[in-house]
Formats: sequence, C-alpha cells, structure tokens
Amino acid sequence: DTGVSQNPRHKITKRGQNVTFRCDPISEHNRLYWYRQTLGQGPEFLTYFQNEAQLEKSRLLSDRFSAERPKGSFSTLEIQRTEQGDSAMYLCASSFSGGGFGANVLTFGAGSRLTVL
Amino acid sequence: DQQVKQNSPSLSVQEGRISILNCDYTNSMFDYFLWYKKYPAEGPTFLISISSIKDKNEDGRFTVFLNKSAKHLSLHIVPSQPGDSAVYFCAASRSSNTGKLIFGQGTTLQVKP
Repeated sequence: DTGVSQNPRHKITKRGQNVTFRCDPISEHNRLYWYRQTLGQGPEFLTYFQNEAQLEKSRLLSDRFSAERPKGSFSTLEIQRTEQGDSAMYLCASSFSGGGFGANVLTFGAGSRLTVL
Repeated sequence: DQQVKQNSPSLSVQEGRISILNCDYTNSMFDYFLWYKKYPAEGPTFLISISSIKDKNEDGRFTVFLNKSAKHLSLHIVPSQPGDSAVYFCAASRSSNTGKLIFGQGTTLQVKP
C-alpha cells in the first residue's frame, strides 16, 4: 500500500468552471476525510465518510461543493462554479475506526492544489 | 474563532539542542490531541498524540505534554536534528474517535547544523 493518493496534484482553472478531485485512501481504512488548507493556516475540516456514508459536513462546505464515496472506496470532491476564494490545497486523509482513538490518527495525502484565476 | 492556537509562527534551534513547540486551546471539551509534521509538497504526517486522561506521552525523541488546567500542550524534541526542520501543527478532537480535527496555524521549525 502506497498510502493516500490524490489526483490531480495541481489544477488551474478559470472562475466559473467545475473541478473534481479524486482521493484513493489506504485500503484497510474505513474512514475518509476531506480538509482544506489555505496559506498560513492549518487544515480545516470539510467532510468525512465512514465506508460509503457521509457522516458530517462542515458549514464551510457550501452548496457548490459535493463529495462522494461510492462503494466505500475512493472519493471525489467536486466544486461547481469555482470562485477565486476556492483557491486552496485540498487534502484527503483516511483512518481506521475500530475502537479507541484510532480514527483520530489520520494519514494524509499530498493534497490537490487548486488555483482559480 | 480560533479554538487551537500556535502563537509562534517560527522557531530556530541549534542541532542537538531541545526544540519546544507550544499550542493553546480554548475548548475544554477537547479530549484528544495530536502533533503533525509537514514537509514542503507533502501532506501532514502524524507524529505523536495524547489523550486528555494523560499529561505526558513519549515516543523516542518526541514528548508531548498536556496541561489541562492551562489548556496548553507542548511538543519537545530532544535532541533536535536538521531533518526535523518542517512545519508542525497541533490538532485537537472534541468528539472521541471521529477524526474531525481542529488544527492550529502551524509553527515552522528550523534546526541549524
């Protein structure tokens, strides 16, 4: 297992376009998370899945954002009608929820950097 | 509302000396705390964690201390090595085992040879 994989690593788009990011988690992990990080800040929670169920969404996740995790494997994060304020690093992470505090120990991918012109 | 704060944006130490990174939090409901390390062009990597029922956790050169009354935690790295140069984030969770973490802004550590 090569860890959490994210694609594309960098996306440049024009305002108003739609973009989609993909995340492949560690195969043994049943939880998958999306975080967003802007310059000079720490990652901010967006949403998470346990298997295929989306259990929580942050208020940061506007209606233009949608995340899916079909079949509880990979996940996609789509941003519709992108705005310049969406420019950020989008981080995916996974963990295993099996009791104790294990689910809190997230393994992050390298991120997908979005630049909206 | 910044619930987790790292007030020092940067820290520079000499190789072999101790590095102390600090983190303050405001929410008394946090029950699990973690430190992550991040190199450029990579995602954050888990370093060490501590639950609220403990006040110290040690793993090799890394020790995390938790002072619940002061709502303060710190990461000690002894001895510091040039390879430790990275951005360090503290994070907290207020619902056991959800993986929903609140991160601080990060502290950039530079270890000089």
